[in-house]
Amino acid sequence: DGGITQSPKYLFRKEGQNVTLSCEQNLNHDAMYWYRQDPGQGLRLIYYSQIVNDFQKGDIAEGYSVSREKKESFPLTVTSAQKNPTAFYLCATRQANQPQHFGDGTRLSIL
Amino acid sequence: GQNIDQPTEMTATEGAIVQINCTYQTSGFNGLFWYQQHAGEAPTFLSYNVLDGLEEKGRFSSFLSRSKGYSYLLLKELQMKDSASYLCAVRERDYKLSFGAGTTVTVRA
Repeated sequence: DGGITQSPKYLFRKEGQNVTLSCEQNLNHDAMYWYRQDPGQGLRLIYYSQIVNDFQKGDIAEGYSVSREKKESFPLTVTSAQKNPTAFYLCATRQANQPQHFGDGTRLSIL
Repeated sequence: GQNIDQPTEMTATEGAIVQINCTYQTSGFNGLFWYQQHAGEAPTFLSYNVLDGLEEKGRFSSFLSRSKGYSYLLLKELQMKDSASYLCAVRERDYKLSFGAGTTVTVRA
């Protein structure tokens, strides 16, 4: 989606390491979301933030952490406590009553 | 919480029509969305229903019945590029989305 940048596109992690996924937006949207997608499954909500300096746990927050220090940025850290981190991670933004729009995703793999 | 069901796979011929059904149970309904997702790519927004009835957008239409907890996405004049996964998502009053597992549509020549 134009305006939502996720980097990197592919990421590899060694077991026991923390890794941070970037999500930046220039849409001036208030709300930002992180989802995880596994093969054959729907998107599952990890964390979300409705405004700067505030965020809430989603359905599968264990082993993840986030921050929302700036409106444009909502980085997701996958910690070593996340036992099955291999997945496709998607960041989304929303403004008011509009649909969520997604970035291109980051595919994380464990070496 | 949400319980969203949609078929896993559907196959249709180029030029045909396919209807993807979605049923849901929710405690606080605030809209239903359909997204298209090609393999390895991000979902893209297709349609949105918050009131009962049919919303038409070119070759794609979406229907909602809130009393039945039911929606469908209708794809007409199928093209090869329509081969993708179609995700049904229900929005709650706090604007959180819950997604179904997706329906993979394969269009054959």
